[in-house]
Amino acid sequence: GENVEQHPSTLSVQEGDSAVIKCTYSDSASNYFPWYKQELGKRPQLIIDIRSNVGEKKDQRIAVTLNKTAKHFSLHITETQPEDSAVYFCAASLTAGGSYIPTFGRGTSLIVHP
Amino acid sequence: SQTIHQWPATLVQPVGSPLSLECTVEGTSNPNLYWYRQAAGRGLQLLFYSVGIGQISSEVPQNLSASRPQDRQFILSSKKLLLSDSGFYLCAWRDRGQGKAFFGQGTRLTVV
Repeated sequence: GENVEQHPSTLSVQEGDSAVIKCTYSDSASNYFPWYKQELGKRPQLIIDIRSNVGEKKDQRIAVTLNKTAKHFSLHITETQPEDSAVYFCAASLTAGGSYIPTFGRGTSLIVHP
Repeated sequence: SQTIHQWPATLVQPVGSPLSLECTVEGTSNPNLYWYRQAAGRGLQLLFYSVGIGQISSEVPQNLSASRPQDRQFILSSKKLLLSDSGFYLCAWRDRGQGKAFFGQGTRLTVV
């Protein structure tokens, strides 16, 4: 089955700095890579995703890059703000298929200091 | 648009008592449904998933069970709760065509 590794487990940055979270996956068949943000006590929310036919995707201050050959993908947050503080999860899965289960990384706790 | 409802939001139960958490999805049909738990720390532990009515797969042997009596309803149960069952329980549904998964609001369960 799929295995997703996520690093770092904790990331502390100053407001305005950039933050990068990295994930690797093991199953070359995976073709869909979402990122979730979970604020304290709340549900994980999908913030951005990327499919395997795309190398990079941006949405305002966040971007995701994918290297299919190396089987790794990264989340980039620029100009970080205190409200970016949360736990971020990456995941790998297939877009098609009935029973395929999204596999999540263990999460990265991002702390943005004002 | 699709929505997912999960209740209750918070629950305090004594050891040995039963449990029933319910999750329903609106605006889609034949979704994949999942139950996750977050214990101490932040990892998402998959407990059960279902690809259709009456079809349940268990990922971790434990004190819990799941049922899917209707296409868009997923229930997590226990006959007798243990202290170790405390945690944050999340229901999720997945759009098979798109692959995106969406979470319910979660239930904070404290077993005392």
